[in-house]
Amino acid sequence: DQQVKQNSPSLSVQEGRISILNCDYTNSMFDYFLWYKKYPAEGPTFLISISSIKDKNEDGRFTVFLNKSAKHLSLHIVPSQPGDSAVYFCAAGGSQGNLIFGKGTKLSVKP
Amino acid sequence: DGGITQSPKYLFRKEGQNVTLSCEQNLNHDAMYWYRQDPGQGLRLIYYSQIVNDFQKGDIAEGYSVSREKKESFPLTVTSAQKNPTAFYLCASSALGGSGGYEQFFGPGTRLTVL
Repeated sequence: DQQVKQNSPSLSVQEGRISILNCDYTNSMFDYFLWYKKYPAEGPTFLISISSIKDKNEDGRFTVFLNKSAKHLSLHIVPSQPGDSAVYFCAAGGSQGNLIFGKGTKLSVKP
Repeated sequence: DGGITQSPKYLFRKEGQNVTLSCEQNLNHDAMYWYRQDPGQGLRLIYYSQIVNDFQKGDIAEGYSVSREKKESFPLTVTSAQKNPTAFYLCASSALGGSGGYEQFFGPGTRLTVL
């Protein structure tokens, strides 16, 4: 069973508009959540994280929202730029330090 | 510069041969991880190590082996028992403990192709 799900394999957005990437999880014991960005043939790079005790964390154009009751988090990118085009992975972790990753959402930002 | 290095970037092997992928980090991280990525799939955990001379199986450890003789190094051997070894392999490391989010830092990856 997938503990972390990204149900949208792809998302296309116009430059300057908002990109919203979604992630659902099943395990209420997760302590923290992270978003990674990945280009083809490269390693993922960390974008932003959020602790389970918070509901929002913001860093520049990136904001992550956590809805614990719905077991749902989302990444908002505003404004979207062509350089944001990549695969975005949601990950969740607990006390052991291991991360469980979703399958990713491919974001395409069109000029 | 601090970071994680993986070598080589591309690796070709004949079916039935064992192959070892290198991973080195100079971030002074205690924990190191190996993941495998296949098209349309997320990152699946192969093995991880939280301390020198100790490591644990991840979700897809069959056909793989690791060692952790030094804090900086965590090589992965893909054995002939691995049925579908062609994939993109990613190594990561993280600091453990504290109030951080256990962020993992990734290397650039090794693309292994078995012919």
